[in-house]
Amino acid sequence: DAGITQSPRHKVTETGTPVTLRCHQTENHRYMYWYRQDPGHGLRLIHYSYGVKDTDKGEVSDGYSVSRSKTEDFLLTLESATSSQTSVYFCAISESGEFEAFFGQGTRLTVV
Amino acid sequence: AQSVAQPEDQVNVAEGNPLTVKCTYSVSGNPYLFWYVQYPNRGLQFLLKYITGDNLVKGSYGFEAEFNKSQTSFHLKKPSALVSDSALYFCAVRVLSTSGTYKYIFGTGTRLKVLA
Repeated sequence: DAGITQSPRHKVTETGTPVTLRCHQTENHRYMYWYRQDPGHGLRLIHYSYGVKDTDKGEVSDGYSVSRSKTEDFLLTLESATSSQTSVYFCAISESGEFEAFFGQGTRLTVV
Repeated sequence: AQSVAQPEDQVNVAEGNPLTVKCTYSVSGNPYLFWYVQYPNRGLQFLLKYITGDNLVKGSYGFEAEFNKSQTSFHLKKPSALVSDSALYFCAVRVLSTSGTYKYIFGTGTRLKVLA
């Protein structure tokens, strides 16, 4: 795998609590993405970043926020977790739109 | 809306037979297309891409894909399937957002099962 580390790899949290997932890259790529994977829906884009402090929404951004204060780190925050946010979350990086994206190993989040 | 579709949830093929996993797309401008594979409890692994040039693109593990502009398709193929090819396959397209930045839209995935 490319130099992408997601943490934690597994998390169980209670409804209503805040949760932050971290994506760390060592490739110095410009773009970073957060996706969620759910059966029947494939991968859906939550938010992405195209530079430090530069972010944009994806197709399922409601209930999520992101921050990128350094090139190497992209944080995904669930402000108040709900059961519908139980999913597997993947971070991806890309040098530019000319190239393919590389994926992390994923974080399995369960909201109870 | 820009999108990618994978019409088959599952494809079954006998080992040694050729396989095809279908993908169609809808984007404005020239498409940048990708195929990924996902094994259980793993992230997605890049297989191949079409940017420009030859319509037949060769990738990892003996896979290839055929770009067809008139049919807006980018089907994944392999001449002889292996049991180890059994996995979840995703087609993706790069799109340009209104902010002038790039994002990738994925299909819903096709589960390939190769039977021994």
